[in-house]
Amino acid sequence: QQQVKQSPQSLIVQKGGISIINCAYENTAFDYFPWYQQFPGKGPALLIAIRPDVSEKKEGRFTISFNKSAKQFSLHIMDSQPGDSATYFCAASPGYALNFGKGTSLLVTP
Amino acid sequence: DAGVTQSPTHLIKTRGQQVTLRCSPISGHKSVSWYQQVLGQGPQFIFQYYEKEERGRGNFPDRFSARQFPNYSSELNVNALLLGDSALYLCASSLDSNGGRWSQYFGPGTRLLVL
Repeated sequence: QQQVKQSPQSLIVQKGGISIINCAYENTAFDYFPWYQQFPGKGPALLIAIRPDVSEKKEGRFTISFNKSAKQFSLHIMDSQPGDSATYFCAASPGYALNFGKGTSLLVTP
Repeated sequence: DAGVTQSPTHLIKTRGQQVTLRCSPISGHKSVSWYQQVLGQGPQFIFQYYEKEERGRGNFPDRFSARQFPNYSSELNVNALLLGDSALYLCASSLDSNGGRWSQYFGPGTRLLVL
């Protein structure tokens, strides 16, 4: 079964807007939560990651918010740009294998 | 620095054949993991190797096997190919198999088409 549920499946945001992608998990053994960006024909690229001992982590325009009690985490992309148009995957791991969500296709319009 | 490299980039096989995919990790990384990504889906974990030992296996049949060499490079073998094995096969490397230095970095993948 899908261990990490990701939404929305697709997202259209205007340039300069905020893109928000949400993920939820059930396995309380998960202790590492990365986000990956994937362009067509390429492998996933690590964007940002968080561990459950912090509630938020920011790197440039990318922020992860983490809610341990709700078992949810989200990616916020501030000032979204057309170059951010890609598929984004959340993932969660108990220590070795990454369990990925199904992905969100983001389109940032000019 | 070179990232994770994989070969070949593309491969076409027929049902029942066998295939070997290769991966070289980032210099200094000792752990290699393999994932299968079917079109439109997230990657699915197949194997992790650390210091030449299998550390984890996903829910894949025994037709899938892998190994890691002393230089930390790795091979993924798939026997008796099925149409459903058509996918992008991704290799990821990390410094360690667990703990704080755990970020996994992916290669560009090998696109396998089974006819």
